[in-house]
Amino acid sequence: DVKVTQSSRYLVKRTGEKVFLECVQDMDHENMFWYRQDPGLGLRLIYFSYDVKMKEKGDIPEGYSVSREKKERFSLILESASTNQTSMYLCASSPGTTSGANVLTFGAGSRLTVL
Amino acid sequence: GQNIDQPTEMTATEGAIVQINCTYQTSGFNGLFWYQQHAGEAPTFLSYNVLDGLEEKGRFSSFLSRSKGYSYLLLKELQMKDSASYLCAVMDSNYQLIWGAGTKLIIKP
Repeated sequence: DVKVTQSSRYLVKRTGEKVFLECVQDMDHENMFWYRQDPGLGLRLIYFSYDVKMKEKGDIPEGYSVSREKKERFSLILESASTNQTSMYLCASSPGTTSGANVLTFGAGSRLTVL
Repeated sequence: GQNIDQPTEMTATEGAIVQINCTYQTSGFNGLFWYQQHAGEAPTFLSYNVLDGLEEKGRFSSFLSRSKGYSYLLLKELQMKDSASYLCAVMDSNYQLIWGAGTKLIIKP
């Protein structure tokens, strides 16, 4: 069964801490994405990557960075966590095609609380 | 700006039919997706429409009218396990996904 695995389901951090969210996919997908999901809002894209060592800013990259050193792994980094980064973070991957039918496979999510 | 609208919440009865609407205004169009998300779980793919018309997949069907900027997801023979949020997303001209806020569907016995 194909999978996107997020390392932590629940995290509680303090303001100013550095936070790492890890995501691994086993489908040999080219594309990987980080979204945040907040009540009443659609999914918002933070960063995405179409290839190893490549990254592109999404709609809300401020306060975040990413790393993709290996094809299967895409990490989201909060350099200095703030309370407004309390959210559900979803990682997703998709095959490397530019066709519209590019279906995303999501991880189960990482719920981050920043105190 | 780009916008996806869908109802916040809907309630339906087990065994009945429900239609969840989605309207969109985007910069270009390269297809519309529906995903299902149970509480605390990952969104999972339901359907993809790029041409006008109805796509049927078991109890679920999805309809698209590009001229009206409109889609709906039709769920038949509702089951309790269909209680979930349903997310509408449109792929724009840059192949970026624009997401609606989701519709929470509550199924009552």
